[in-house]
Amino acid sequence: EADIYQTPRYLVIGTGKKITLECSQTMGHDKMYWYQQDPGMELHLIHYSYGVNSTEKGDLSSESTVSRIRTEHFPLTLESARPSHTSQYLCASSESWTSTDTQYFGPGTRLTVL
Amino acid sequence: AQTVTQSQPEMSVQEAETVTLSCTYDTSESDYYLFWYKQPPSRQMILVIRQEAYKQQNATENRFSVNFQKAAKSFSLKISDSQLGDAAMYFCAYRSYGQNFVFGPGTRLSVLP
Repeated sequence: EADIYQTPRYLVIGTGKKITLECSQTMGHDKMYWYQQDPGMELHLIHYSYGVNSTEKGDLSSESTVSRIRTEHFPLTLESARPSHTSQYLCASSESWTSTDTQYFGPGTRLTVL
Repeated sequence: AQTVTQSQPEMSVQEAETVTLSCTYDTSESDYYLFWYKQPPSRQMILVIRQEAYKQQNATENRFSVNFQKAAKSFSLKISDSQLGDAAMYFCAYRSYGQNFVFGPGTRLSVLP
């Protein structure tokens, strides 16, 4: 069974605060992804990583940053949160480019910036 | 660039009936994978079914099956004997070798008791 975890599940925070959304997976997957999704809407890829020390920007421009120091860990940071950052953030991972490369998703973090 | 279209923003089905969700995609690749993901309200996104483009046989997973028409670039999902737990957002997704996933906008499925 795929094990990918995100914390916190819900976060309400004031404008200007720095926040870090955590994502960890125990499957040893090389690739990890961050998506932004407004409730009931489509997914937008904002960051991805091929492996340790690799980070790339996705299709949707985002003020957030990511790091990949360990295979299992892919945190997302917002230096100064704004109300426009209010959304759901989904983390995902997958095994390799050459396989069917199914993505496994975490439960998401629902962020509200006041 | 590849695109995925789901033309039905919302669908509803009576419990125990069958429903088909539509998905079309645009690509110039010949080898790729197609997926249907399910996202229940406030719950985790999970894989429903997966199809390799080189396989002519349609994938099936219990009550879920697909109708894959490669020439028409169509990949519909059929849910048989619908259950209340099938209510969710359903996302069609495409991936070709070495590329990221491309997701459709989603279809919200309601199951009526």
